Amino acid sequence: EAGVAQSPRYKIIEKRQSVAFWCNPISGHATLYWYQQILGQGPKLLIQFQNNGVVDDSQLPKDRFSAERLKGVDSTLKIQPAKLEDSAVYLCASSFTGTGEGYTFGSGTRLTVV
Amino acid sequence: GQQLNQSPQSMFIQEGEDVSMNCTSSSIFNTWLWYKQDPGEGPVLLIALYKAGELTSNGRLTAQFGITRKDSFLNISASIPSDVGIYFCAGQPSGSARQLTFGSGTQLTVLP
Repeated sequence: EAGVAQSPRYKIIEKRQSVAFWCNPISGHATLYWYQQILGQGPKLLIQFQNNGVVDDSQLPKDRFSAERLKGVDSTLKIQPAKLEDSAVYLCASSFTGTGEGYTFGSGTRLTVV
Repeated sequence: GQQLNQSPQSMFIQEGEDVSMNCTSSSIFNTWLWYKQDPGEGPVLLIALYKAGELTSNGRLTAQFGITRKDSFLNISASIPSDVGIYFCAGQPSGSARQLTFGSGTQLTVLP
């Protein structure tokens, strides 16, 4: 089966600019996650979707980050305006069962804010 | 929130040596998972553990779910160059959301 697709792979922007990331999960996976991975750290959950509804966005900095999953398939994560500390890899994962074993991660988008 | 302490942060070992790493939590988890991440890629699942005391192997990898449900261990035997990468533990609680909480990772370098 095809994996989790993410684009772009890399993005460099200036602070205060906006940026958007796209994720296409594995077909049939109802649960979709966005994780932020800062260099030298483990991934940290930003938001979890079940179909097109938000399950948990408690760790999403809502003053600047937004995410949507229209039609319960693809998802976009947006940052506006970006700060230097947003430099990180943004990983998308999808799951059929909701258990850890069912997670499949994409290759991520590496964001550099200068 | 839940915190996972993973150690060591990094390891340099000779090819053929065994290596151990561990993870401790301030909270109880129902599932422990171990992932490997290669440069430029997302984490890939290595081993999943579901019961306290469980010992599970995947080739040269062996992981254990601690009996307190607050810790887990990963051992790699007879290391080879392709074992290089970052290893993450992750815990998953019970409940409807069941998101993963990741440790900070162990960077493994295998010297020829």
